[in-house]
Amino acid sequence: QKEVEQNSGPLSVPEGAIASLNCTYSDRGSQSFFWYRQYSGKSPELIMFIYSNGDKEDGRFTAQLNKASQYVSLLIRDSQPSDSATYLCAPKTGSYQLTFGKGTKLSVIP
Amino acid sequence: NAGVMQNPRHLVRRRGQEARLRCSPMKGHSHVYWYRQLPEEGLKFMVYLQKENIIDESGMPKERFSAEFPKEGPSILRIQQVVRGDSAAYFCASSPTDTQPQHFGDGTRLSIL
Repeated sequence: QKEVEQNSGPLSVPEGAIASLNCTYSDRGSQSFFWYRQYSGKSPELIMFIYSNGDKEDGRFTAQLNKASQYVSLLIRDSQPSDSATYLCAPKTGSYQLTFGKGTKLSVIP
Repeated sequence: NAGVMQNPRHLVRRRGQEARLRCSPMKGHSHVYWYRQLPEEGLKFMVYLQKENIIDESGMPKERFSAEFPKEGPSILRIQQVVRGDSAAYFCASSPTDTQPQHFGDGTRLSIL
């Protein structure tokens, strides 16, 4: 059973702070990792993806991957109220199948 | 550039009826994936299709559920003889190849009375 674990939250951070979202996964064969943002009642929206160990930065977002520890994280700098959403971690198992965690609900307080 | 289009957005069916959910992938995308999201649960993979071919249906229940992606027209997820437990949000995603990121549609919220 391939599992993806995320802290369900809610994670509350003040506006302007750094939000740190964490994810662990069980399938050592996972090679690529995706972060999606989902507003309530909406579709998942791709935020970041990462394939290699280390950090990948895109604007206010940084994805971090440690395959040895089976750990992936997403940092959001200068958090804004519009970042309030549920963040889904999704390792890709095999070449195409995404396995999703239940998501971490982030609340950015103005 | 239109994204992944799903219709209907909301679908209400009575127990025993059939539900048909449609998905048109993004332009240039020939790989389609269906996922189901139950209340308070994560998205679960159901089926992966390319034009006229089902590549992997390991996440789809063996009975009552079927999917197709014809040469012309949208991909269709069909649920026959629906039951209350089928109530969920059904999301379609597409990608240009199987290794590139998947982009999701707005989903179909299925409610069974």
